[in-house]
Amino acid sequence: DGGITQSPKYLFRKEGQNVTLSCEQNLNHDAMYWYRQDPGQGLRLIYYSQIVNDFQKGDIAEGYSVSREKKESFPLTVTSAQKNPTAFYLCASTRERRSNQPQHFGDGTRLSIL
Amino acid sequence: DAKTTQPPSMDCAEGRAANLPCNHSTISGNEYVYWYRQIHSQGPQYIIHGLKNNETNEMASLIITEDRKSSTLILPHATLRDTAVYYCIVRVGENRDDKIIFGKGTRLHILP
Repeated sequence: DGGITQSPKYLFRKEGQNVTLSCEQNLNHDAMYWYRQDPGQGLRLIYYSQIVNDFQKGDIAEGYSVSREKKESFPLTVTSAQKNPTAFYLCASTRERRSNQPQHFGDGTRLSIL
Repeated sequence: DAKTTQPPSMDCAEGRAANLPCNHSTISGNEYVYWYRQIHSQGPQYIIHGLKNNETNEMASLIITEDRKSSTLILPHATLRDTAVYYCIVRVGENRDDKIIFGKGTRLHILP
């Protein structure tokens, strides 16, 4: 079945360490997004990508980096510059940006600090 | 900030219809209404969306008032698996940022 796969489900980061969260979709969607969700809160946009080799900062991009080398993949790196990385990270995709098509989400990666 | 208002929680008996209200009194003419739900520790699941007309799919029905200032999501025969937080979102189909703004949603409890 088509869908969005995020891995790993749980991730632990040590001080000063960079970690990369994987997001893969086989929906042939053009646009992909990364959100962060803190307990009891809504989603905040980190980065988004409309097409391959293009991405834009969202509202809280500091301390994060992304790449979009392939249409189906949009990995997120949480760098050591992100001082409060503990959160639930969600990847989403949509067939095309700036349309009424809904965003579809993966099952998330929960990141914690050791 | 979220542009919608939802009750923080609701209860519904298993097998009955669950009617979840949403107020979006400041909605503009080109904004769609979307509904998602989130089960604990999972990603949000898309349910349904609409602009003006009522919509129905295999999961739910969406009823939008004629003035578009409010809507109701209807789960026709609620099951225990429908226990989740339900989010009502308004979003322009061709907005600049394209992000989804989730409010606090409605926590729906299905009672056996």
